[in-house]
Amino acid sequence: GQNIDQPTEMTATEGAIVQINCTYQTSGFNGLFWYQQHAGEAPTFLSYNVLDGLEEKGRFSSFLSRSKGYSYLLLKELQMQDSASYLCAGMDSNYQLIWGAGTKLIIKP
Amino acid sequence: GAVVSQHPSRVICKSGTSVKIECRSLDFQATTMFWYRQFPKQSLMLMATSNEGSKATYEQGVEKDKFLINHASLTLSTLTVTSAHPEDSSFYICSAPGTPDYNEQFFGPGTRLTVL
Repeated sequence: GQNIDQPTEMTATEGAIVQINCTYQTSGFNGLFWYQQHAGEAPTFLSYNVLDGLEEKGRFSSFLSRSKGYSYLLLKELQMQDSASYLCAGMDSNYQLIWGAGTKLIIKP
Repeated sequence: GAVVSQHPSRVICKSGTSVKIECRSLDFQATTMFWYRQFPKQSLMLMATSNEGSKATYEQGVEKDKFLINHASLTLSTLTVTSAHPEDSSFYICSAPGTPDYNEQFFGPGTRLTVL
């Protein structure tokens, strides 16, 4: 079956670094997405990885290892407004997104 | 980036009534749009894939006669919740791929449906 696993909740301190892990199992693979979702709002696209390695985009970086079925989202210089849910989603061979349940990130001063 | 709009943003209706939600791609054409439902503190659940000019593809467990989808043009898909009941109260979100190879999805802002 298809499955996405990520931690339910994480806590970090303002200014620090946090890594959110995601493991995936999909029927075929057409990429791994990370989205940010604030409460009551639709998700916002953060990153897309389809090849192994690290993609850096400002304070956010995303890593993919296809052989391990593993990805992480790295957030640096955390700000209070980074408090949100972070959704990991794998795209299967039919170009459908398989969503994780999301990781609620709590930032403390 | 591409913009997807949804209307209405919030709707409250009585049990038994029907509610129509519109999803529009504002600056690009979308032959495919996706409809999701999200219950509180849960992830997005794909309901159906809307295809322009043809019938929608529904996920297992989603009643096609209850959730009517029409994709009449390359920029508009509508979801109609027929005979809504309180258990249909949820956050409904549409998305459209911004590229032919689907490597970026643009989400509408969502519609909060409350059925009394």
